[in-house]
Amino acid sequence: GNSVTQMEGPVTLSEEAFLTINCTYTATGYPSLFWYVQYPGEGLQLLLKATKADDKGSNKGFEATYRKETTSFHLEKGSVQVSDSAVYFCALNDYKLSFGAGTTVTVRA
Amino acid sequence: EAGVVQSPRYKIIEKKQPVAFWCNPISGHNTLYWYRQNLGQGPELLIRYENEEAVDDSQLPKDRFSAERLKGVDSTLKIQPAELGDSAVYLCASSFGTSGYNEQFFGPGTRLTVL
Repeated sequence: GNSVTQMEGPVTLSEEAFLTINCTYTATGYPSLFWYVQYPGEGLQLLLKATKADDKGSNKGFEATYRKETTSFHLEKGSVQVSDSAVYFCALNDYKLSFGAGTTVTVRA
Repeated sequence: EAGVVQSPRYKIIEKKQPVAFWCNPISGHNTLYWYRQNLGQGPELLIRYENEEAVDDSQLPKDRFSAERLKGVDSTLKIQPAELGDSAVYLCASSFGTSGYNEQFFGPGTRLTVL
């Protein structure tokens, strides 16, 4: 079946540091890939997505590229802010969303 | 535009009691999902509706869980009787169209605590 494996946390960074959260997937077919974010006290929000191989999704300074050859969709941001502190979930959508376990990111001023 | 609405936001019950959660999806979204999110884990799909029809309920524990979506709009998820292991956040999501590739929008969730 489909599954997503993402880097375990928690991750603690200083402001303006570079952030990478690794995500790999196993799927039959050609799923769409997503990163969702859950800020403290809020619901899940879509951060970015990519629907086919080599697509790059981007939003709020975050980027992720759909790599079919390595079955990966790593999330990156060049300079994080305190407001980026949240739980990040990688997910694939093949008629239903399959989520990774989530990575908690804390950014310190 | 209003987002996905869920109620209640929090619920505390004793084991063996029944509980129900309600979801109102985004207007015009005909696909509705219920997920369960255990502490420290990602959400897992319980059931997916396309209009009134439950098209994927393979992960729904049917001995104690039931769901309905009358008229293809609002939905209710019920647990009877609740067990300690049912403590989790129950999320409702909706999407436009019946394709599984459409973006899903999530509600704030209902946090259930079973004592």
